This record gives sequence, C-alpha cells and structure tokens, in this order.
Amino acid sequence: DGGITQSPKYLFRKEGQNVTLSCEQNLNHDAMYWYRQDPGQGLRLIYYSQIVNDFQKGDIAEGYSVSREKKESFPLTVTSAQKNPTAFYLCASSIGLRGLGQYFGPGTRLTVL
Amino acid sequence: KQEVTQIPAALSVPEGENLVLNCSFTDSAIYNLQWFRQDPGKGLTSLLLIQSSQREQTSGRLNASLDKSSGRSTLYIAASQPGDSATYLCAVRENTGTASKLTFGTGTRLQVTL
Repeated sequence: DGGITQSPKYLFRKEGQNVTLSCEQNLNHDAMYWYRQDPGQGLRLIYYSQIVNDFQKGDIAEGYSVSREKKESFPLTVTSAQKNPTAFYLCASSIGLRGLGQYFGPGTRLTVL
Repeated sequence: KQEVTQIPAALSVPEGENLVLNCSFTDSAIYNLQWFRQDPGKGLTSLLLIQSSQREQTSGRLNASLDKSSGRSTLYIAASQPGDSATYLCAVRENTGTASKLTFGTGTRLQVTL
C-alpha cells in the first residue's frame, strides 16, 4: 500500500535532549512537509522540501532542523533550542508544490518531561 | 497575511441531519482549497480539493463549494452519521511564486449523535 509513515507514534524527551522524528513515503512524491499542531491552533508549517537535498523554512522553523538525503525520507530533529516542543507533529507529501493536494501521515506526539 | 477562519468551532447534530461547515479566508488569491478530516490523535485525511477555477466538488455525501471572490468555502454533509464525528479542517494554498504553503483553519469539531 502506498502511503506516509511516521515513527514513533509517541515520543518522550527530557529537557535538553535532541530527538528525531521519522517520516517516510512511498508515493513517489517530490515535496514533503512538516507541521506542528497545538490544541486550539491550526497546523503550522515548520519546514518543507521540494526536492532531494533542498529544503526551506516555514513559519516556525526556529529550534528545528531537517534533512532530505533521499526522496522517500524527510526526518525532523527537534533540538534543545525549541522552547516548547510538546505538540503533535504531522508529516505530509505532495506530487509537486502545486496542483494536487497534500497527503498526511498518522503523526507523532512528542512530550517533554 | 492569509488568515483562515472556521465557524462554528464545534457542532453537535442528531443522526440523519444535513449540515454545513463554513470556512472563510482573507486573501482571495488562492491556488486551491482543501478540506480534511481528522480523528482524535490521528493524521489528516483529505476529503475534497477544489481548484481556484472550480466552484464545487462532490464525493459521496460530501459537497464542497468555493466562492473565491468572497473568500468563502462550505462543506455540506448530507444525511450525517455517527461515523462522521471528527474535526474538519479547511486549508488554502496561496498562489504566490513557487512556494507551496497551506494555511489552515482551526477546525470544526463535529459530533453526530444517535
């Protein structure tokens, strides 16, 4: 089955630690995205990537980093510089940056202890 | 800056009722608008995508309309069922350069009761 997978489903982090969230897609999509969702707020864009080895900051990139070494994979690292990392993180992909819509993974819930 | 608003924030209806969810956006220069469904603790499922040149899209019991000039979209759900209970999000893609950016509303939480 084609789709987007995210792992882990739940992640706990101690303050001061970096953690990496995985996102993999087998849809052959060029573009991939990371969003953050907080209660009562809409999804906010953290980073996006149009092609391999290229990525752009979204609205709330501070404290996060990404890489795009393979078309299928777009991991997100939440660094210790992110002041309030507890949130639900969603990865998405699309064929291109325009046209057809974005398709989302199941999400990772990150909690800082 | 594009802002997307969804009204109402929450809605409870009895099974079988037809209902309308509203989405408004401040900048009409959009490329497309997408409606999503989100179940608690889950990712988003795409329901309908309307291109800026289209007026509506239909899928089963769902019908989404778009009035770009007035900055509004509606999602119509016919003959609601308890399985329709979820949060419904709309998102607009702006028509600016090559950057792809979806701006999301905060969603309408729908509960369909027996």
